[in-house]
Amino acid sequence: DQQVKQNSPSLSVQEGRISILNCDYTNSMFDYFLWYKKYPAEGPTFLISISSIKDKNEDGRFTVFLNKSAKHLSLHIVPSQPGDSAVYFCAASLNTNAGKSTFGDGTTLTVKP
Amino acid sequence: KAGVTQTPRYLIKTRGQQVTLSCSPISGHRSVSWYQQTPGQGLQFLFEYFSETQRNKGNFPGRFSGRQFSNSRSEMNVSTLELGDSALYLCASSPTGNLYEQYFGPGTRLTVT
Repeated sequence: DQQVKQNSPSLSVQEGRISILNCDYTNSMFDYFLWYKKYPAEGPTFLISISSIKDKNEDGRFTVFLNKSAKHLSLHIVPSQPGDSAVYFCAASLNTNAGKSTFGDGTTLTVKP
Repeated sequence: KAGVTQTPRYLIKTRGQQVTLSCSPISGHRSVSWYQQTPGQGLQFLFEYFSETQRNKGNFPGRFSGRQFSNSRSEMNVSTLELGDSALYLCASSPTGNLYEQYFGPGTRLTVT
């Protein structure tokens, strides 16, 4: 049973437009959510996170939204840039196991110039 | 600060052999986690160490083991290698102030033939 799901394997957007990456989870006990970006031949890079007590967190061009009732989170990138092209992973953690994250399968974002 | 380093970066082993992978966390980080990434799959959690103690363990067979040293460096061992163990093995470290946020190394690409 996959507890964190990213249902879109890929997403293509035009430079300057908004990119919206989605993530669903099934375990209502998760209390911390993170997004990572991964380029080929590199490890994932931490991007942004959100605690379950919030519904929005913003960092520059990146905003994460959390809808606990729907068990859904999304990452918005505005405006999208070609350098944002990468695989994006959604991850979730429990406060009792903070060092263990459950990851989705990733969404490959392509930003076209 | 220097990032997480992993050695070796690439490894080719034969079925039945054993392998040891090494990870040096970011200076000051005491939590080290290991993940396996196979093609088409997200990151699967292997285990987490904090101050030389294994705190969390994923659903992997006993052939997968690890340890952490007093300087926080960690090693992962896989015995009796199988073809299905071919994967990218990622190590991540976390700051004590926020164990949720993980900083990944570039990974060790293991190929079992």
